[in-house]
Amino acid sequence: KAGVTQTPRYLIKTRGQQVTLSCSPISGHRSVSWYQQTPGQGLQFLFEYFSETQRNKGNFPGRFSGRQFSNSRSEMNVSTLELGDSALYLCASSGTPDTQYFGPGTRLTVL
Amino acid sequence: DQQVKQNSPSLSVQEGRISILNCDYTNSMFDYFLWYKKYPAEGPTFLISISSIKDKNEDGRFTVFLNKSAKHLSLHIVPSQPGDSAVYFCAASAREYGNKLVFGAGTILRVKS
Repeated sequence: KAGVTQTPRYLIKTRGQQVTLSCSPISGHRSVSWYQQTPGQGLQFLFEYFSETQRNKGNFPGRFSGRQFSNSRSEMNVSTLELGDSALYLCASSGTPDTQYFGPGTRLTVL
Repeated sequence: DQQVKQNSPSLSVQEGRISILNCDYTNSMFDYFLWYKKYPAEGPTFLISISSIKDKNEDGRFTVFLNKSAKHLSLHIVPSQPGDSAVYFCAASAREYGNKLVFGAGTILRVKS
């Protein structure tokens, strides 16, 4: 069974631009969650999508948004990028609450 | 507030010995606890989990113990191997929040050969 895939793996943007990251979960998993990892804040929950509906949202500004498609693939978008948005963005796929599998992440650098 | 805490930033263990990684939590609503291993710039690798209705779960070299009254869990790795050197994260979820994971700050494990 293929694992969680994320594209692109690396991204460099400038302040004010927007970015879209993609995540394909494990086949059969309907839940996709997004996390941000920074050295100062650790791993922080952004939002979770289940069957195309946002089920939960973390404490991030409205510039961070996401969506999920009927095939469970998910995208997250960050608009009006700020320097502080530089981070590793991780996607997690879940079939049951006691197992969540992460993708390799997208490293976003904002200049 | 920090609901999941890993109070030891780092741990050094000799190859072949036991590694014990600790985690404390404050929210009694947590239903599941998960442990991950992580290398820099990579995604976390799922190791093992435990439901709040159990007190022990074992998978190969990894055993997780849960003490609900103390709101404490620990991950035991026996025997420790140099390849186990990484950052270990404890995470917790509550059914009412879906699959949202709350992470601890992580513990760096170094296994010396």
